[in-house]
Amino acid sequence: DGGITQSPKYLFRKEGQNVTLSCEQNLNHDAMYWYRQDPGQGLRLIYYSQIVNDFQKGDIAEGYSVSREKKESFPLTVTSAQKNPTAFYLCASSPTGVHGYTFGSGTRLTVV
Amino acid sequence: AQSVTQLDSQVPVFEEAPVELRCNYSSSVSVYLFWYVQYPNQGLQLLLKYLSGSTLVESINGFEAEFNKSQTSFHLRKPSVHISDTAEYFCAVSENDYKLSFGAGTTVTVRA
Repeated sequence: DGGITQSPKYLFRKEGQNVTLSCEQNLNHDAMYWYRQDPGQGLRLIYYSQIVNDFQKGDIAEGYSVSREKKESFPLTVTSAQKNPTAFYLCASSPTGVHGYTFGSGTRLTVV
Repeated sequence: AQSVTQLDSQVPVFEEAPVELRCNYSSSVSVYLFWYVQYPNQGLQLLLKYLSGSTLVESINGFEAEFNKSQTSFHLRKPSVHISDTAEYFCAVSENDYKLSFGAGTTVTVRA
């Protein structure tokens, strides 16, 4: 079955460390997105990519970095510059045109 | 730029009672509208969408939403809820590209 796989499901990070969240899709979708979800704040866009080797900042890109070397993969790195990284991170993808997104099951990151 | 307002953050409801979740959007152009559902510690799942055509759209599990252009609304309704409908619901809007803007979410709690 086609879908989006996020790993790991839970991740713990010490302060000052970088950490990378994985997102892989086998839907042949062109566009991929990273959102951060905090209680009561809905989803906030971190980065998005419409084609391979190209990506744009979303509303809260500071302290995050991404790459899009393959169509199937869009990893997110949470750097030590991100002041409050504890959150639920969601990856999504969509085909060309307006069809809505398919979401992964999320990664819960906790800074300890 | 588009934006979405979900007018209720929490909606408690008794089992078998009707429920309505309100969503208003602002945009200067034609829009596409979506409702997503999120169960605890999971990603978002597409519930229904309005792209064009009939303003009343339905999902397979009994939800429906009506696009009202004059009131810039896309309210979600279900005539009789089940315990399993307990979840968070997100309204989203897109203009003429792939990107979605999400509301802050409405938590529905169904009680027996």
